[in-house]
Amino acid sequence: QKEVEQNSGPLSVPEGAIASLNCTYSDRGSQSFFWYRQYSGKSPELIMSIYSNGDKEDGRFTAQLNKASQYVSLLIRDSQPSDSATYLCAALRNNDMRFGAGTRLTVKP
Amino acid sequence: KAGVTQTPRYLIKTRGQQVTLSCSPISGHRSVSWYQQTPGQGLQFLFEYFSETQRNKGNFPGRFSGRQFSNSRSEMNVSTLELGDSALYLCASSPDGTGGTDTQYFGPGTRLTVL
Repeated sequence: QKEVEQNSGPLSVPEGAIASLNCTYSDRGSQSFFWYRQYSGKSPELIMSIYSNGDKEDGRFTAQLNKASQYVSLLIRDSQPSDSATYLCAALRNNDMRFGAGTRLTVKP
Repeated sequence: KAGVTQTPRYLIKTRGQQVTLSCSPISGHRSVSWYQQTPGQGLQFLFEYFSETQRNKGNFPGRFSGRQFSNSRSEMNVSTLELGDSALYLCASSPDGTGGTDTQYFGPGTRLTVL
């Protein structure tokens, strides 16, 4: 079992819709969780970080964390074609960061 | 603040050669992590350095090594290159990599092609 698992996709949504990305992790000692966006040929860029159970909102993005279920999600509201990218989920325990394989999202105009 | 910088951006080597990649973290950041990214394996952790010490290491052979200097700049070295080492090598920096809340910021990466 991989330490951080994501649906590889591809996930396709129409412009303006809500995109929902999911991630599970196996290490209960993980303390912090991150969502990165990676465009093709580019390096990952941080979108959201979340440390506590519940929701965290930043503009069109909402991260949700449920430590009991070892589940992290990212919702993208009013999806735009520019959101088309691979989204990486990561879990951090002390100085050890583990990434999921990424979910490819396509937003169709 | 300047972001994480990596040099060179692109590199072509042949099998059996060795290569050294360089990473300069964000000013004030003391932790540097290295990752290998390939289409098949995704983003895989190589190692992490803090205050010139390797604190954590991923599951890679000994051909992959690194070091960190007193100014927090880091280098990674790959010896006896194999075709499978062709990948994007990413460096990420964070303030101290501990506390469970540290955020890593990535550099642009070095694209290594082994022929």
